[in-house]
Amino acid sequence: GESVGLHLPTLSVQEGDNSIINCAYSNSASDYFIWYKQESGKGPQFIIDIRSNMDKRQGQRVTVLLNKTVKHLSLQIAATQPGDSAVYFCAETYPSGGSYIPTFGRGTSLIVHP
Amino acid sequence: GAVVSQHPSWVICKSGTSVKIECRSLDFQATTMFWYRQFPKQSLMLMATSNEGSKATYEQGVEKDKFLINHASLTLSTLTVTSAHPEDSSFYICSARKAGEKLFFGSGTQLSVL
Repeated sequence: GESVGLHLPTLSVQEGDNSIINCAYSNSASDYFIWYKQESGKGPQFIIDIRSNMDKRQGQRVTVLLNKTVKHLSLQIAATQPGDSAVYFCAETYPSGGSYIPTFGRGTSLIVHP
Repeated sequence: GAVVSQHPSWVICKSGTSVKIECRSLDFQATTMFWYRQFPKQSLMLMATSNEGSKATYEQGVEKDKFLINHASLTLSTLTVTSAHPEDSSFYICSARKAGEKLFFGSGTQLSVL
């Protein structure tokens, strides 16, 4: 059902700082995870993904860490820039009936101050 | 990267009318597409999974007669909001899966029902 009345958690950082956005996922059968960035009025944009057989993956200025023991995912953004301001969602996918169902976390609003 | 085109990006309609939203995968074939709904400052809620050539699978609580999904080809899925009412006003987003679990999103459609 819908998450009624919940507001997005917010992370405020200064330009140049490193940002860490956390996500707890729910399904222990999930084996593929994705981070998305969504700017206001736009669709989500793929940032980085990780499979469950890995615990760390690095991209350009971003790193995703996966802790399957506690079902926790984090996104680290190095040298955060004002253009990184957006809402960040993690998504978990798990097998269901021969398909993979992507389910999104609550999201975190990142605000970068110049 | 893969491109998913969603149209229209914004639509205003009168209560009781129907609205069709198109989702196209421009450079890949998508056997599965997903439709999401998003309220302001909230996460993406999966409405249904659209499978090419077969009936869509709807999430619990989503009225299939209200939100008609047609996935007639490997590059096109449509969502029709029938007899729209003000409570249907929302941001609708489609996504398509390419080569396994990687998801790409359309730019979203803001529906306003008067």
